[in-house]
Amino acid sequence: QVQLVESGGGLVKPGGSLRLSCAASGFTFSDYYMNWVRQAPGKGLEWISFISTTKSTTYYADSVKGRFTISRDNAKNSLYLQMDSLRAEDTAVYYCARRSSLDSWGQGTLVSVSS
Amino acid sequence: EIVMTQSPATLSVSPGERAALSCRASQSVGSDLAWFQQKPGQAPRLLMYDASTRATGIPVRFGGSGSGKEFTLTISSLQSEDFAVYYCQQYNDWPRTFGQGTKLEIK
Repeated sequence: QVQLVESGGGLVKPGGSLRLSCAASGFTFSDYYMNWVRQAPGKGLEWISFISTTKSTTYYADSVKGRFTISRDNAKNSLYLQMDSLRAEDTAVYYCARRSSLDSWGQGTLVSVSS
Repeated sequence: EIVMTQSPATLSVSPGERAALSCRASQSVGSDLAWFQQKPGQAPRLLMYDASTRATGIPVRFGGSGSGKEFTLTISSLQSEDFAVYYCQQYNDWPRTFGQGTKLEIK
């Protein structure tokens, strides 16, 4: 069955960096577009980034553009999100999700940005 | 950016009754519209995609309709496990955008 498992979250100071990972299994990872979506505590869902199957196309929400970088390693069945210049407002649970329709989600990893 | 607006913010319905949740886009998204259900402490779950296609394993009491700018998620005969927060999301244009959610609560 499809499984997505995020990791790498934690507590980081404002201005710091963190790299999230999403390990995929149960499907041919290289055949699927992938996304990152986040949810601040008590708030709604916010799409933040997309990457195509061949890594040739990426998109970002304005809120993270220039600070976050999405990447993937199809040989390792893994998706990544490099987060730099973190701000308090980046505090959220970060989910990886498959396809444009977001048909499968991981359980999320919590990122807390605080001094 | 396409703004997605959901209404109402909270909907109180009795078990066994029907619920209709609305989602409106600021510009046409065709049929590139998905609905998600989220329960406390859980990841969202895809219910509907392409506006009216049920995702794998979703019960037939869930139905989606609409195209262009106006969409509806209908849940017939509400079960206890259906009380949750529901989000719509468009995937017609970048950035992808979600509605703010409708909380479906027990009346």
